[in-house]
Amino acid sequence: DQQVKQNSPSLSVQEGRISILNCDYTNSMFDYFLWYKKYPAEGPTFLISISSIKDKNEDGRFTVFLNKSAKHLSLHIVPSQPGDSAVYFCAAKNNAGNMLTFGGGTRLMVKP
Amino acid sequence: EPEVTQTPSHQVTQMGQEVILRCVPISNHLYFYWYRQILGQKVEFLVSFYNNEISEKSEIFDDQFSVERPDGSNFTLKIRSTKLEDSAMYFCASSVSREKSYFGAGTRLSVL
Repeated sequence: DQQVKQNSPSLSVQEGRISILNCDYTNSMFDYFLWYKKYPAEGPTFLISISSIKDKNEDGRFTVFLNKSAKHLSLHIVPSQPGDSAVYFCAAKNNAGNMLTFGGGTRLMVKP
Repeated sequence: EPEVTQTPSHQVTQMGQEVILRCVPISNHLYFYWYRQILGQKVEFLVSFYNNEISEKSEIFDDQFSVERPDGSNFTLKIRSTKLEDSAMYFCASSVSREKSYFGAGTRLSVL
């Protein structure tokens, strides 16, 4: 099941620079997208979300961009901080229900 | 900040035994979910529960699985006869609406 895909398993960024995490999806019925952050031995923590009627949503250092025609979304973190080092999951919901379909995750390492 | 709590953090069981994983969702939330993550794989949806009944379930959620909300606070996942392949991290989540879900820290189930 590859409905939500994160093609980069890992990303390394210098502190203070921008981190860009990417996510692609195939199901055109998805209408709501979320990013979660996960530390080891913890559950996923909600970061930011975007509805399919928007193309951008911003919350502090985090911005999510949605390109519906390309079925692509990205998470920008700026400036990146060492505490942002975690696994980031992209997830999507369709308009028929509440289940989340997750991508495989991208491990972000922010170097001091 | 309110959080979803899960117990136990680690459950070890013998193949063929029944296990019950417990969750206390956030108190004013209306939707409840179970997800699982097998080591090295994606987070996968199992089931959602709303208004005292299952609203969605995945193919994984077969007759060996059941969920219950026995009182106003707990939400449980029962696996009737565990198999080796049930070994995974099980996450409970809850939400107020169709939007963001909040996850617990998970229960690691080890089936021997």
